Amino acid sequence: QLQLQESGPGLVKPSETLSLICIVSGDSISDSGDYWGWIRQPPGKGLEWIASIEYAGRTYHNPSLDSRLTISIDTSKSQFSLKLSSVTAADTAVYYCARRGETNHFDSWGQGTLVTVSS
Amino acid sequence: EIVLTQSPATLSLSPGERATLSCRASQSVSTYLAWYQQKPGQAPRLLIYDASTRATGIPARFSGSGSGTDFTLAISSLEPEDFAFYYCQQRRSWAFTFGGGTKVEIK
Repeated sequence: QLQLQESGPGLVKPSETLSLICIVSGDSISDSGDYWGWIRQPPGKGLEWIASIEYAGRTYHNPSLDSRLTISIDTSKSQFSLKLSSVTAADTAVYYCARRGETNHFDSWGQGTLVTVSS
Repeated sequence: EIVLTQSPATLSLSPGERATLSCRASQSVSTYLAWYQQKPGQAPRLLIYDASTRATGIPARFSGSGSGTDFTLAISSLEPEDFAFYYCQQRRSWAFTFGGGTKVEIK
């Protein structure tokens, strides 16, 4: 059974870079057609798609975050990662990693990790 | 960017009642729309994809309909575990977007 697990610092200082990793287990990260993505949810608010990547490295970014985003994949470690630079308090959120599988929607999710931006 | 507007923001109903949730897109998304359920402290769960196909393991009381710009999620008879937040999401363009959500609460 596919499992995704986010990891990374829970506290990041303003203007610094937020870095998260999602470890994929129970299925291959290299399955053709699967995309791996990041979605975030500020406390008490709705969901926002951040970026997605497929196993060969093709990426798609939310235009509103594009200039600050880096998403990458390491198939040898069965993980993908997110870097968001120049963070502010507005980037405080629960960050989820998820798979866009054969349904073409996000059909498997990690449990989420809260990242707080504060000095 | 395709904007998804969900209504109502809050739906107050009793167990056993029918729930009807709406999602309207700012431009056509064909049938490239999904619905998710989210309970407090949990990740979202995919309920419906491609507007009307139930995801694996989703009970038959959940149904989706619509195409173009207007979509509906219906829950035929609310069970206690159905009181939660519901979000729609489009994949018509690669700039995926979510609706603002509808909270289904116990009346």
